[in-house]
Amino acid sequence: DQQVKQNSPSLSVQEGRISILNCDYTNSMFDYFLWYKKYPAEGPTFLISISSIKDKNEDGRFTVFLNKSAKHLSLHIVPSQPGDSAVYFCAASVRQGGSEKLVFGKGTKLTVNP
Amino acid sequence: NAGVTQTPKFRVLKTGQSMTLLCAQDMNHEYMYWYRQDPGMGLRLIHYSVGEGTTAKGEVPDGYNVSRLKKQNFLLGLESAAPSQTSVYFCASRAPIGVFDSYEQYFGPGTRLTVT
Repeated sequence: DQQVKQNSPSLSVQEGRISILNCDYTNSMFDYFLWYKKYPAEGPTFLISISSIKDKNEDGRFTVFLNKSAKHLSLHIVPSQPGDSAVYFCAASVRQGGSEKLVFGKGTKLTVNP
Repeated sequence: NAGVTQTPKFRVLKTGQSMTLLCAQDMNHEYMYWYRQDPGMGLRLIHYSVGEGTTAKGEVPDGYNVSRLKKQNFLLGLESAAPSQTSVYFCASRAPIGVFDSYEQYFGPGTRLTVT
């Protein structure tokens, strides 16, 4: 049972335009959401996060929106740059048994064309 | 700060062989995690540790063992490797919730393991 879903395996956009990456989740106990960026042959790196008590968080060109009623979050990148080409993972945090774990989606490969 | 480091970077094993992957972090983090990443599968949690001397099972623990004898190190062992364990393995660490309230996990560069 996949609790965090990224239904688009890939996305291609032109440089300078907006990139919108989507993520859906099923577990209402998730209390924090994160986006990670991963280049080939490297480990994932943290990009931006949002608490479940907020609906928007912005950091430079990156904005994450959370719609709790729809169990949906999205990452907006404006303007998109070729260096943003990477795989983006959505992750959700859940507390279980006194500890906290992240559940990851399968990722969306973003390609920004010059 | 080196952050999170993993050794080795690459390894090829024959079915039935054993090996240990080493993860080290210099951020004094309490929590450490081992994930595997397979094509089209995202990152799946194998085992994790909430402190020195503790370990717990994640989503896909079968065929793996772990140890956390020192706070800065988290070892992942494969006792009898199988082709299904061919994957890229990532280690991560994090400070406990409440310390700067950070849920962010810091990842190592990964170990690419092939079992033939």
